[in-house]
Amino acid sequence: DVKVTQSSRYLVKRTGEKVFLECVQDMDHENMFWYRQDPGLGLRLIYFSYDVKMKEKGDIPEGYSVSREKKERFSLILESASTNQTSMYLCASTVGGLSGNTIYFGEGSWLTVV
Amino acid sequence: EDKVVQSPLSLVVHEGDTVTLNCSYEVTNFRSLLWYKQEKKAPTFLFMLTSSGIEKKSGRLSSILDKKELFSILNITATQTGDSAIYLCAVVLGSGNTGKLIFGQGTTLQVKP
Repeated sequence: DVKVTQSSRYLVKRTGEKVFLECVQDMDHENMFWYRQDPGLGLRLIYFSYDVKMKEKGDIPEGYSVSREKKERFSLILESASTNQTSMYLCASTVGGLSGNTIYFGEGSWLTVV
Repeated sequence: EDKVVQSPLSLVVHEGDTVTLNCSYEVTNFRSLLWYKQEKKAPTFLFMLTSSGIEKKSGRLSSILDKKELFSILNITATQTGDSAIYLCAVVLGSGNTGKLIFGQGTTLQVKP
């Protein structure tokens, strides 16, 4: 049973378009994360949130923003997509306290910017 | 800057070989270290390590943490083709109910028949 849902699995967008990637979890988790994964670079943290309306920059926030209006939903926004944002985007959520074996991942969103 | 570094970045072995994957870290406010296996989809959890010197074991996989030298290793014995995957190391930082989870670059393991 899927607990973290990334609704857009495969997207193709044009340079300059605004892109929304949605992540929804049904486990009442406090912490949510957005990563991008590129070959040889692992998962790089873009933004994370530990509560509604709270957000923290990760290691590569440039070109991205996030929104967390409700506890279950954490949205990643590309204000003006660029080709170097072509990547696989992975959402994760976990309980407060970040117990390692209770981190759940979405299935990933593959974004191609042309 | 918090950093997690894995080595090697890629590895090709034959079935039956034993492999050792490395993960070193330089972070503030360390809480735990995690190992994941990823095969073309979301990572799957392998181990969580919080204390030095205590080996975690699951079948042919084992892992240990050294908090003094700031590294962990993941061992896979008698490798099989099904072990081919990306192995990710991650560190949990922070205290209380807030925190951060950062990953290394991953080690891509290919096991040949």
